[in-house]
Order: sequence, then C-alpha cells, then structure tokens
Amino acid sequence: KQEVTQIPAALSVPEGENLVLNCSFTDSAIYNLQWFRQDPGKGLTSLLLIQSSQREQTSGRLNASLDKSSGRSTLYIAASQPGDSATYLCAASHSNDYKLSFGAGTTVTVRA
Amino acid sequence: EAQVTQNPRYLITVTGKKLTVTCSQNMNHEYMSWYRQDPGLGLRQIYYSMNVEVTDKGDVPEGYKVSRKEKRNFPLILESPSPNQTSLYFCASRHLKDSGANVLTFGAGSRLTVL
Repeated sequence: KQEVTQIPAALSVPEGENLVLNCSFTDSAIYNLQWFRQDPGKGLTSLLLIQSSQREQTSGRLNASLDKSSGRSTLYIAASQPGDSATYLCAASHSNDYKLSFGAGTTVTVRA
Repeated sequence: EAQVTQNPRYLITVTGKKLTVTCSQNMNHEYMSWYRQDPGLGLRQIYYSMNVEVTDKGDVPEGYKVSRKEKRNFPLILESPSPNQTSLYFCASRHLKDSGANVLTFGAGSRLTVL
C-alpha cells in the first residue's frame, strides 16, 4: 500500500524567504504526483501535476520536482508572500486506477 | 462557473440518525469521489464512481453508502452515523479521458459532527 509522508507538519517563514516542502512516497510505481493547496473553510486547489515520466513542473513562483527512484517530490515556492499561507498536500496516483494517496500536509505560515 | 457543490457545509447530528451529504458537479465529469480528512491522516478515499451506476470502494468505505443515478450527482449516505465518522468530507470530480493530465476539482467540504 502506498504511504505518503510530508515533513514537517508545519513551518513558519518570514516574507520573501523561499519555501521548500517535502513529500515522500513508498511505492515508486506511481502514475503521477500532484500538489494541492488547502485554505481554511475551502476545498483543495490543484497547484501542479507531475507525470511519472517528468522530472519537474513549473507554474509562476512554484516549481515541483519528482524523483521516483528516491521516492521524493519537492515543492519550491520562490519569494514567499503572506498570501502563500495555507496547507499544502501532495498526493500520489496509483497507475491509472484513479486512487490517490494523500500526505497529511504541511501547514505554512508566511510572516509579514 | 465550473464547480463541485456540497451540502450541507456544516452538520451536527446524533448517533444513529441517517443523513445524506449531497454532491453535485456541473462539468459533465464521469469520475466522482468522496474523501474524508482527519487531523494527521490526510485525505482518505471512501468511495468513487467512474460513471452512472458504476461505484467502487475506496480505502475506508465502512459505514458509508453511495449512489450514482445521475452523472452530476454523487450523494454520500451515512445509514447509522457513529462518533468515529466525525470528520471533514470532500467530494471531487474530473473527466476520465486523459486522466494523467486532468486534475480533480474539489468541493468546499462538509464538516460533520456526530454526537
């Protein structure tokens, strides 16, 4: 069974600092890996999706990398802003059977 | 606006009183799914549906039922709720085609408390 872990559970950084969020998974035979953002009282919003054949994806200040051999994905957020404060979750997809295994998330606070 | 709508958003009920959480999407998505989110455990899949009249169990289906009579609706039914079903519930949907590129659209969540 796929286990997805996100460490740390929470972190706080000053505005302008680059954020590095980690995600590890136990089964390297993934179909894709997704990063989501969750704001209080709202649902999850997809940020980036990396196919198993890709090494990274970028969107604006966000960059996500994938290393299947080591079972790791990293989400980088450049020049953090207070509006980046949220919980970030990663999820690994098992082949194409539409089942996602989620990590518990990392709650980020960006201090102004 | 393309969206997934869940109702109710908040509910407090008592043990054993049947309840239904509705989920509706307006994007003509074939795939729909229910998750529950508990502190420290992340989201866990309860049930999912690939199309009308096609449903399957996720990782934690015990105590829940679903139905998919129409493409847009995927209600979650708790026949006899228990306190361990107190949780935050999310419904999500997406197209089946090009599943590797399509991402899930989530509802805003339904916070359920069972006393």
